[in-house]
Amino acid sequence: AQSVTQLGSHVSVSEGALVLLRCNYSSSVPPYLFWYVQYPNQGLQLLLKYTSAATLVKGINGFEAEFKKSETSFHLTKPSAHMSDAAEYFCAVKSGANNLFFGTGTRLTVIP
Amino acid sequence: DTGVSQNPRHKITKRGQNVTFRCDPISEHNRLYWYRQTLGQGPEFLTYFQNEAQLEKSRLLSDRFSAERPKGSFSTLEIQRTEQGDSAMYLCASSNSGGPNTEAFFGQGTRLTVV
Repeated sequence: AQSVTQLGSHVSVSEGALVLLRCNYSSSVPPYLFWYVQYPNQGLQLLLKYTSAATLVKGINGFEAEFKKSETSFHLTKPSAHMSDAAEYFCAVKSGANNLFFGTGTRLTVIP
Repeated sequence: DTGVSQNPRHKITKRGQNVTFRCDPISEHNRLYWYRQTLGQGPEFLTYFQNEAQLEKSRLLSDRFSAERPKGSFSTLEIQRTEQGDSAMYLCASSNSGGPNTEAFFGQGTRLTVV
C-alpha cells in the first residue's frame, strides 16, 4: 500500500522567506512522487515529479524537492516566497497502480 | 488544445435528484481519471478508464455512481439520488499511456452542492 503524509495543514511565511512544505511517503515499492498546486476553485497543476533519475528535482515557479529514501521524505522548498505562491499544495504518490494517492494538503499563506 | 475541460463548473441540486458531469480530456490522452475532493482534503480516486474500458473503481464509488466513456473520448459521471454527503469538487484528469511517472493533467473541476 502507498500513502503520503503532509505535516502541517497550514504554513505561513513572509514574502521573501524560505518555503518548506513537508511530505513523507509510505510505499512498499520504489515510489513515484509528485507535488501539485491548487489555486482557489481551480484544478491541480503539476509542480514537479520524482522519477528516480535524480534525487533533487526542479519544478516550475522556482520550486524544488529532494527525495530522501532514508527519511522517506520528499519535501518541497522555494528559497524566496512570492505573494503569488499562496495556494494549497498536495503531495502525491504512485507506485505500480495507475491512480495517485494524495496527502491532505498544506495551505500556504504568504505575508506581505 | 485547451487542456482538460469539465462541465458544468458548478452544480446545485436538491437531495434525491440525479446529476451528470462531463469531462473532455486532452485529445491524444487515452487514460481518464475521476477524483473527488471534499473540503480540506486531498483528491480521492474514484475510477479510471483506459480508452473506453473502465479498468478500476474505488470502493468510494457506490452503486449510486456510474461513469462512462463510450467512445474513448469524453466521459460522464452520474450520481443518482444525490445525498448531502455527495457535496464535493469532482475532478477529472487525463494522461497518456506510460509508466507510473506519466503526468496526469487535471481539469478545473465541477463543484457539486446538494441542498
